[in-house]
Amino acid sequence: DGGITQSPKYLFRKEGQNVTLSCEQNLNHDAMYWYRQDPGQGLRLIYYSQIVNDFQKGDIAEGYSVSREKKESFPLTVTSAQKNPTAFYLCASTSPNYGYTFGSGTRLTVV
Amino acid sequence: QQQVKQSPQSLIVQKGGIPIINCAYENTAFDYFPWYQQFPGKGPALLIAIRPDVSEKKEGRFTISFNKSAKQFSLHIMDSQPGDSATYFCAASIGSGGYQKVTFGTGTKLQVIP
Repeated sequence: DGGITQSPKYLFRKEGQNVTLSCEQNLNHDAMYWYRQDPGQGLRLIYYSQIVNDFQKGDIAEGYSVSREKKESFPLTVTSAQKNPTAFYLCASTSPNYGYTFGSGTRLTVV
Repeated sequence: QQQVKQSPQSLIVQKGGIPIINCAYENTAFDYFPWYQQFPGKGPALLIAIRPDVSEKKEGRFTISFNKSAKQFSLHIMDSQPGDSATYFCAASIGSGGYQKVTFGTGTKLQVIP
C-alpha cells in the first residue's frame, strides 16, 4: 500500500540535544511538508519541499532543519535552538488535484 | 488575509444528529477547499473537498456547502455516529498541482454521544 511512514512514533529529547524525525513516502509525490501540531491548535507549517534538493521555510522554521536528498525521504531535525519542541509532528505529501496525504505522526517530548 | 476561521471549537451531538462545522476565508485566490478528519494520535486524513465552482458536494454522509459570495463553507455530517467522534479541520489552498499552499482552520473537536 502506498503511503507515508513516519518514525519513530514517540521520541524523547534531552535539553540541548538534536533529534531527527524520519519521513518516507512511496507515493511518488514531488511535494512534501512538515507540520507541527500543538494541543487544541491547528497545523503550522515548518518546512516544505517541492522537488529533490530544494526546500523552503514555512511559518515556524526557526530551530528546525530539513534535507531532501531523495524524492522518497524528507527528514526533519529538531535542533537545540528550538526552545519549545514538545509537539506532535506531521509529515505530508501532495499530488496534483488531490489534497494532503499525512503520515501517522511523531510525538516529541522534551525530558 | 491568509486566515481561515473555523467554528465552533468543540461540538457535542447525539447519535443521529447533524453536526455542522463552519469556516470562513478572506483570500479569493483560494481555489480548493478540503476537509480533514483526525483521530487522536493519528495524522489527519482527507475526508471531502470542493472547488469554488460548485455550491455543494456530497460523499456518503458528509456534505460540503459552499457560498462563494459570502466566502464561507461548511461541513455537515448526516446521521452522525459515535465513530465520527474526531477533530475536523477545514482548509483552503491555492493551486491544485503538486505543490499546494494550504491554510488550515484551527479545528473542531466533535463528540457524538450514543
